[in-house]
Amino acid sequence: GAGVSQSPSNKVTEKGKDVELRCDPISGHTALYWYRQRLGQGLEFLIYFQGNSAPDKSGLPSDRFSAERTGESVSTLTIQRTQQEDSAVYLCASSFGNKLYNEQFFGPGTRLTVL
Amino acid sequence: SQQGEEDPQALSIQEGENATMNCSYKTSINNLQWYRQNSGRGLVHLILIRSNEREKHSGRLRVTLDTSKKSSSLLITASRAADTASYFCATNTNAGKSTFGDGTTLTVKP
Repeated sequence: GAGVSQSPSNKVTEKGKDVELRCDPISGHTALYWYRQRLGQGLEFLIYFQGNSAPDKSGLPSDRFSAERTGESVSTLTIQRTQQEDSAVYLCASSFGNKLYNEQFFGPGTRLTVL
Repeated sequence: SQQGEEDPQALSIQEGENATMNCSYKTSINNLQWYRQNSGRGLVHLILIRSNEREKHSGRLRVTLDTSKKSSSLLITASRAADTASYFCATNTNAGKSTFGDGTTLTVKP
């Protein structure tokens, strides 16, 4: 019973480059979330996938950010033309996604540094 | 703004004292959860309280929920230095989506 895994754990990139972050949720979890957390701040919701429904992209900060999910499996978060303000820890979480029992299980995060 | 807002933003206490953190929210919820985060990485689920519950206990944790005031509190009794962390509340709607607050940073001094 592996938990949520994320890769890479750390990513350093140059301004203007594209980056791709990966999340492997817990098997059987229909819901998957991406969050951004800047240093010393709270969680900023980015995007929410629930089963085969259209994802809730209301938290994506700009069109440079996009995310995909293959069925109820792996998700990738892509940031194009990275900016220094994109530097943060990107957290992924998965859950059963039903209203009665939707405890979120978090991955360890990817720390992104844009130079 | 965030659905859940914790207060205080920061709390510093001595080991052995109790720590109380509050969370307020704006819309109707199905349940509310508290999470803990160490060192700015992944969060760990602590406790879930449903909208029809008023109080719940888990070890040294006590959570209350007042849906009329749209608020919840997390009490940690007999705190330990290892309780030092950030604590977040997350509100969950019937759509199954969670929304987190900005957190309370707790420091427990030995």
